[in-house]
Amino acid sequence: NAGVTQTPKFQVLKTGQSMTLQCAQDMNHEYMSWYRQDPGMGLRLIHYSVGAGITDQGEVPNGYNVSRSTTEDFPLRLLSAAPSQTSVYFCASRSGDGYTFGSGTRLTVV
Amino acid sequence: GENVEQHPSTLSVQEGDSAVIKCTYSDSASNYFPWYKQELGKRPQLIIDIRSNVGEKKDQRIAVTLNKTAKHFSLHITETQPEDSAVYFCAAPLSGGYQKVTFGIGTKLQVIP
Repeated sequence: NAGVTQTPKFQVLKTGQSMTLQCAQDMNHEYMSWYRQDPGMGLRLIHYSVGAGITDQGEVPNGYNVSRSTTEDFPLRLLSAAPSQTSVYFCASRSGDGYTFGSGTRLTVV
Repeated sequence: GENVEQHPSTLSVQEGDSAVIKCTYSDSASNYFPWYKQELGKRPQLIIDIRSNVGEKKDQRIAVTLNKTAKHFSLHITETQPEDSAVYFCAAPLSGGYQKVTFGIGTKLQVIP
C-alpha cells in the first residue's frame, strides 16, 4: 500500500512548454484533488474529482487541465507553462474526510 | 483561502509552553474541521480533526476546540517540544459544498529549546 504517489519530484520547464504531473493512489479513494502551495498563500485548490469520469474546477484552475479515466490516476496537465505556475504541487485523495497527500512536485518555470 | 482565516501566521514559544492557533470559517453548513502539520520539505499530514457535533477533541498533547456559534475552531498544543516546530494548516469547505476544501494560509510554529 503506497498511498498517494506523485511523479516527478522536481521539474524545470521553459515558458510555453507543456507537461503532465502524475498522481496515483492505491487506496481505492473516490475523491482526488490537486493543490498548489506558494509562500504565504497556503494550499490552493486547482481541480478535483469525485470519481472516475467526473472532474471540476477549484479556486485556481486557469492554465491546468485534468482527467480521471480510472479511480487510481488523476494527472494534472500544464498546457503552456508560465513563470506564475512555479510552485509546489500536491495531489491528495480522501475516503471520508481527512486527506492523504502525495510527496509533492516542485515545479520551476523559467 | 478567503473562506478560512488563520491566525497567527507565525508563532514562537518556549519549549514546554502551550501554543494556540485559531481559524475562522464562513460557511455555517461546514461540519468537519481538520488540522494538518507540514514539516519542512515534507507533505502535509492530518494530525487531528473534529466534527460539528462535538465541541472538543483531544489526542495526547494536541486538542481541537470548535465554537459553531462564532464559526471558529482552534488547535491547542500543550507541553510543546522542538519536534512540534512545523507549519500548521486548518481546512474547511468552501461555500457551496464539501467537495471544495480550502486551507488557511498556515501558521509557522517555532518551539525554542
